[in-house]
Amino acid sequence: AQTVTQSQPEMSVQEAETVTLSCTYDTSESNYYLFWYKQPPSRQMILVIRQEAYKQQNATENRFSVNFQKAAKSFSLKISDSQLGDTAMYFCAFGGAQKLVFGQGTRLTINP
Amino acid sequence: DSGVTQTPKHLITATGQRVTLRCSPRSGDLSVYWYQQSLDQGLQFLIQYYNGEERAKGNILERFSAQQFPDLHSELNLSSLELGDSALYFCASSVAPGQGTDTQYFGPGTRLTVL
Repeated sequence: AQTVTQSQPEMSVQEAETVTLSCTYDTSESNYYLFWYKQPPSRQMILVIRQEAYKQQNATENRFSVNFQKAAKSFSLKISDSQLGDTAMYFCAFGGAQKLVFGQGTRLTINP
Repeated sequence: DSGVTQTPKHLITATGQRVTLRCSPRSGDLSVYWYQQSLDQGLQFLIQYYNGEERAKGNILERFSAQQFPDLHSELNLSSLELGDSALYFCASSVAPGQGTDTQYFGPGTRLTVL
């Protein structure tokens, strides 16, 4: 079974700093996708970024980028120029042939 | 706004009761997924429907059931409710039946409180 591990339960940085959230996963599948979802205090689940495993190029979406290391089964999220609105729970998720599997989340706080 | 709608937003009920949560997927999406998120926990996959048919089952209790109707909206029925069923219930939708390899868009969730 696939597992997703987020080793940082909580993180806190100052506004405008860069922060990296870690995620590792375990799978024997070769075709899969990886996702980062953001859950702000409103509890809405918002898709931040998606990475296809067959693509070597790391995905980027404005201030959000990933460092995808397939051999190491690592998928970290980098947030540049962090903003107060980035304060949220961040969930890493693995999507394979079966269900979407979520990590336990990292609570990120951006301080003014 | 993801385009996925869920009603009601909040639901407060008593133990032993039955409730129905409703979800309308994004226009054009055929798959609907249900997840449960207990306090400060990750999301647990419950069940998926694709174009009216059950596609996959996760950790769904026998007291819970779901269906997807011809207009593609879905309902999650929770019966014989227990205190431990208090949680945030999310619906998500996607275009295809690919589950993990298909991007899922989430609704705002229904917060269920069982007293």
